[in-house]
Amino acid sequence: DAGVTQSPTHLIKTRGQQVTLRCSPKSGHDTVSWYQQALGQGPQFIFQYYEEEERQRGNFPDRFSGHQFPNYSSELNVNALLLGDSALYLCASSVGPPGVSGNTIYFGEGSWLTVV
Amino acid sequence: AQSVTQLDSQVPVFEEAPVELRCNYSSSVSVYLFWYVQYPNQGLQLLLKYLSGSTLVKGINGFEAEFNKSQTSFHLRKPSVHISDTAEYFCAVNCYRDNDMRFGAGTRLTVKP
Repeated sequence: DAGVTQSPTHLIKTRGQQVTLRCSPKSGHDTVSWYQQALGQGPQFIFQYYEEEERQRGNFPDRFSGHQFPNYSSELNVNALLLGDSALYLCASSVGPPGVSGNTIYFGEGSWLTVV
Repeated sequence: AQSVTQLDSQVPVFEEAPVELRCNYSSSVSVYLFWYVQYPNQGLQLLLKYLSGSTLVKGINGFEAEFNKSQTSFHLRKPSVHISDTAEYFCAVNCYRDNDMRFGAGTRLTVKP
């Protein structure tokens, strides 16, 4: 049973460029959340997708956008990259939104983004 | 909004010694509480979670945590640690009907031989 898979694992971008990160949820999961983890910090919630809609958003600017496809996979897009966007981007999946009944969220291994 | 404070950024301990990693949270509503472990260059793996019921929760790898509502704490314990327990540990809180899971800054557990 494949867990949460993310691609690419590492990438380097230049300031001002745009990046797309991809995530396939764990089998049977329909909800995808994205987190940003800066070096030495805990993950911070970016947003969550359920039924192909953004259900909740954390404190991130509009440069961060996403999409969920009918097969529940998801993309995270970041436009106009800044040096401060360098971080590990984690995708997590669950069966339904976790806030409803404490559903466990399962994390992928992340995509390391370096902005130079 | 809820928040999480992990009281120790680093905890060094010798192999086979007991360990406690401290976590306090703040929230005005009911919460779900979690501990995750992150090994180097990997994602987060769930150790245990508290949803309701018994305040003592047992997880994987011999870890357990106790929910204390009056002290708003959810400390993680293990009676005897191994070298392989060296990792970063994150406490997280999720409020009822809120999908924004808040994480603490993490505690780096280093087990020395």
